[in-house]
Formats: sequence, structure tokens, C-alpha cells
Amino acid sequence: EVQLAESGGGLVQSGGSLRLSCEAPGSSLSRNWIHWVRQPPGKGLMWVSRVRYDGTVTSYADSVRGRFTVSRDTAKNTVHLQMNNLRVDDTAVYYCARTDWFDLWGQGTLVIVSS
Amino acid sequence: QSALTQPPSASGSPGQSVTISCTGSSSDVGGYNFVSWYQQHPGKAPKLIIYEVNKRPSGVPNRFSGSKSGNTAYLLVSGLQAEDEADYYCNSHAGSNIWIFGGGTKLAVL
Repeated sequence: EVQLAESGGGLVQSGGSLRLSCEAPGSSLSRNWIHWVRQPPGKGLMWVSRVRYDGTVTSYADSVRGRFTVSRDTAKNTVHLQMNNLRVDDTAVYYCARTDWFDLWGQGTLVIVSS
Repeated sequence: QSALTQPPSASGSPGQSVTISCTGSSSDVGGYNFVSWYQQHPGKAPKLIIYEVNKRPSGVPNRFSGSKSGNTAYLLVSGLQAEDEADYYCNSHAGSNIWIFGGGTKLAVL
């Protein structure tokens, strides 16, 4: 059974950086678009970013454009979300999801940005 | 990039039917048949239950169905069961490689 697994979350101060990773242990992400979605504690889902299977096409929500960068390492079958200049309102569980239908989600990784 | 509009809550008794709406604009819901719905139980990741407006992934009960009229999409849950109590989110493509979620609806099974 294909699964997604996020990692890299943690506690960081405002203005700091974190790099999240999304892997599919035992399976390949090479032909799938991958999205990042976040969910602040107790709140709803918010789309963050999307990357094409070969990494050549990316897109971002307005609130993160210029601060976040999505990329993929095809050799390591991994998608990364580099988050710079983090703000308190970036605090959330970050999920990666497969395809434009978001048909498979990871368990999420919690990012806490303190002031 | 404003969130799609969903009612904050909905409820029904076991066996009843409930419809959840998701309102956007001609730039998202009304402009594309790329509307999907997700079910999320507390502490769990979201699960896809409807895609491309009215298609069900394998394994999703046919009690769940989707439709769209103009700028509003609908999720119908028929024959409510206790395990349907969860948060439900809609999502739509919004052009320019952008996606938007709804604010979410908490469904209570009374």
C-alpha cells in the first residue's frame, strides 16, 4: 500500500527556516504532482504549494510566495518544502498530498513558529 | 485567494440525508470541473471522498455523492451513519496553477 510520510517539522523562531520532506517509502513519486497543504491548530485546510513530477513547474499560495520553495529530488524520491522567513501564522500541521485530486495524504508534520 | 464558502456546521439523524454546500466564483468552482471533497476525522489526515465534482474513489461508499450548479458545489451524504461525523472540506482548482479549499463544515450525527 502506497503511503506518504512527511518529516522535518519542529519549533522555530520567527524569521527562521525549516525544510520539510515528503517521501513515499517503498513506492515512487516520480510520475505524480505533489501538493503541500497546511492546517493551523483547530482551523481549516489551506493549500500551500504544488510541484510537477519532474520539478519543472511550481506554484504557491500568495501568503507563502517568495518565502517558500518547493522542489523534488528524483534520485531520492523526495519532495521538499523549504520555508524561510517563517512567521507565527505559518504555525500548522503540514501535509503533502499526491495528484491534483489530493488522493493520498501523509500523516502531517507539525511546524510551530514562536515569536 | 479567498477560501470557498461552506456552512460551519451541519447535522442530521442516523439514516437521514444531509447536503453541504461549497460556494465560490466563476474563477474556481464555476469555471472548472475540478471540485473535490475531503472527510477529516479528529487527529487524522483528510481523506478524498469525491473528485471531479461527482466521482467516487474506490472504497468510498455510494452514500456520498457530489454535484455542481453554477458557482456552487454540493456534497450529499445519504443514510447518515455515526462514522460520518467528521469535518468536510471542498477544494477547487482556481486557474493559474492555484487550488483553494473551503473553510470546512463540521457534520454532527445526532
